[in-house]
Amino acid sequence: QSALTQPRSVSGSPGQSVTISCIGTTSDIGAYDYVSWYRQDPGKTPRLIVYDITERPSGVPDRFSGSKSGNSASLSISGLQPDDESDYYCCSFAGDYMVFGGGTKLTVL
Amino acid sequence: EVQLVESGGGLVQPGGSLRLSCAASGFTFTKYWMHWVRQAPGKGLEWVARANVDESTTNYADSVKGRFTISRDNAKTTVFLQMGRLRADDTALYFCVRDRDGYNTALGYWGQGARVTVSS
Repeated sequence: QSALTQPRSVSGSPGQSVTISCIGTTSDIGAYDYVSWYRQDPGKTPRLIVYDITERPSGVPDRFSGSKSGNSASLSISGLQPDDESDYYCCSFAGDYMVFGGGTKLTVL
Repeated sequence: EVQLVESGGGLVQPGGSLRLSCAASGFTFTKYWMHWVRQAPGKGLEWVARANVDESTTNYADSVKGRFTISRDNAKTTVFLQMGRLRADDTALYFCVRDRDGYNTALGYWGQGARVTVSS
C-alpha cells in the first residue's frame, strides 16, 4: 500500500496550462481505470474534481481534464485562473484498498 | 443535500481508544459504501477504511489494520470508526466520506472532519 507519487509543487501563470503527474504501480493505477482527483483549498474539505480517469462531476469546468497511461495518471488544467491555486491529490482504487498521492501544491503566479 | 457530520474526536493518551461517529443524511444510506480518510496536521490525505452497504466487506489501510474497526448502523444512517491502541502518528483530522455513486471507485462527499489528538 505505497502512496502514489506526485510532485510537491507546480506553478503557472494565468492563462497557461499545467499538468500534475501521479505515478503508481501495477497494483493500483495500472490495474484499474479508477483514478480520481481532489482539490483542497486551505482549511477546507477536499472535493472531487475528476473520477474514473476522465470524468468530471457536474459543476467542474472542462478546463480540468484527466488521463492515464500505464501506471501513471495526470491532471491537466488549462487556462489557469487565480482561483485554481490549491492542493491537488490523486487517488486510485486498488482492489481491497484505496491509495492517495502525497499531494501537489499548485501556485498561480 | 448530502450531509455527513462527524463527532467523537478529542484528546486521548497513547494506547487508548476512541470511537468516531458520522451521522449521514440527504441520501439513501444503504446504497453507498462509506469511508474514513484522515489528514495529519500539515500533511496529505490518507485513506483509512471502508465498509460496503451491509458491512459484509470492510477494508483497511495497513497502518490501521488490527487496531481500527469500521462499522455502520443502517437504521440510524451512521458509520463508526472504533480506534484502538492509538499512537501519536494517528493524530489527524478524520473525514467521513461517501462514495460517489455506489460503485466504490471515487470519494464523492466529505464531512467536515473530527480531530483526534493522541498525546500524553
